[in-house]
Amino acid sequence: DVQLVESGGGLVKPGGSLRLSCAASGFTFSTYSMIWVRQAPGKGLEWVSSITPSSGYMFYADSVKGRFTISRDNAKNSLYLRMNSLRAEDTAMYYCARGPEGATAILTKWFDPWGQGTLVTVSS
Amino acid sequence: QSVLTQPPSVSGAPGQRVTISCTGSSSNIGAGYDVHWYQQLPGTAPKLLMFANNNRPSGVPDRFSGSKSGTSASLAITGLQAEDEADYYCQSYDSSLSGSAFGGGTKLTVL
Repeated sequence: DVQLVESGGGLVKPGGSLRLSCAASGFTFSTYSMIWVRQAPGKGLEWVSSITPSSGYMFYADSVKGRFTISRDNAKNSLYLRMNSLRAEDTAMYYCARGPEGATAILTKWFDPWGQGTLVTVSS
Repeated sequence: QSVLTQPPSVSGAPGQRVTISCTGSSSNIGAGYDVHWYQQLPGTAPKLLMFANNNRPSGVPDRFSGSKSGTSASLAITGLQAEDEADYYCQSYDSSLSGSAFGGGTKLTVL
């Protein structure tokens, strides 16, 4: 059974940093692109970042570019999101999701499945 | 403000048919990029409902169907059931953003 479990969320002050993790199981992690998507309280979904299977390419939404870094450890079947210079508007539930197998046109493909999410709150 | 526009809400009685639109532009749907749909039940993570415009993942009832034409896409739900009450999101690639984009979401209420 494919499973994605996020962790690392919590309360952080504006300007602070946080690292989210996503533990994957039930599939060959190293062959799939992976994604982070967030959802502010009561709001819609926002794509945050994507990474190809071998970490050859990383993509970011303009809202997080230069502040967030996506990475992965295929030996540990884990996906990460390092978030720096956090702002109040980064407050959201952060979901990891599996993208397509391979590294071709990953931003045009669908996300399936999704984890249950980890909540990040940025507040003083 | 998303580059993909969805109606904030739609509603229908049990057994009826509803459609949810997703309107884009020449930099996303109109450029030929596929549209995908997700269902988010209250308090849960989104779930893939339709991929590549009109393809249902295993386990999704055939009451759900998708279509795409020009700069728009639609999700249709027939034989509406109480369990269909959820938020629905469309997703596509946008070349002006150089990234993936979601519609603002549509809340479906089953009357």
